[in-house]
Amino acid sequence: NAGVTQTPKFQVLKTGQSMTLQCAQDMNHEYMSWYRQDPGMGLRLIHYSVGAGITDQGEVPNGYNVSRSTTEDFPLRLLSAAPSQTSVYFCASSTIAGGGNEQFFGPGTRLTVL
Amino acid sequence: LAKTTQPISMDSYEGQEVNITCSHNNIATNDYITWYQQFPSQGPRFIIQGYKTKVTNEVASLFIPADRKSSTLSLPRVSLSDTAVYYCLVGDRNQGGKLIFGQGTELSVKP
Repeated sequence: NAGVTQTPKFQVLKTGQSMTLQCAQDMNHEYMSWYRQDPGMGLRLIHYSVGAGITDQGEVPNGYNVSRSTTEDFPLRLLSAAPSQTSVYFCASSTIAGGGNEQFFGPGTRLTVL
Repeated sequence: LAKTTQPISMDSYEGQEVNITCSHNNIATNDYITWYQQFPSQGPRFIIQGYKTKVTNEVASLFIPADRKSSTLSLPRVSLSDTAVYYCLVGDRNQGGKLIFGQGTELSVKP
């Protein structure tokens, strides 16, 4: 199993550009989430999904859209990039069965907005 | 949503036992308490999880008092490679689904 994969690893955007960060998992996990981590800070939840077709907002959803058309994929779209969105973005997935909070994280996408 | 409070940083020496305490006064009945470890430039990694009393695995122990308003992560005999940020998280994916991380504790292990 590849686990949780994220592409690209690095990205530089200009203000106003849009792009999609890709996240995929091959563990058949129902739960997927996106976090951002600013330098020297903790993780903040952007959006999450408890299954295909179901998404909900986290702590900092403004400026981001998500969709969950399949169990495997959970892309994060930046609508109009701003310098404040410069951050490292982590995708995570987990099974819901059995409860608890164990999530598997991807390697991250490092985004710089100029 | 339950909010967690942890010390910002801690220092230790190799071979010592390290205890990191997390406060979560508003924990809900169904919430689990989970700890993650994060190294620089990597995603967080699950360490241990519990609901009540004590849980132990090959890496750490987790102590949860009866009122569940706090928890303590115990790392036995730390090494330099345990230098990382440790996050306490409370919640339950089956109850609303939001899993919110706190600010984390930066542990520095010195030789």
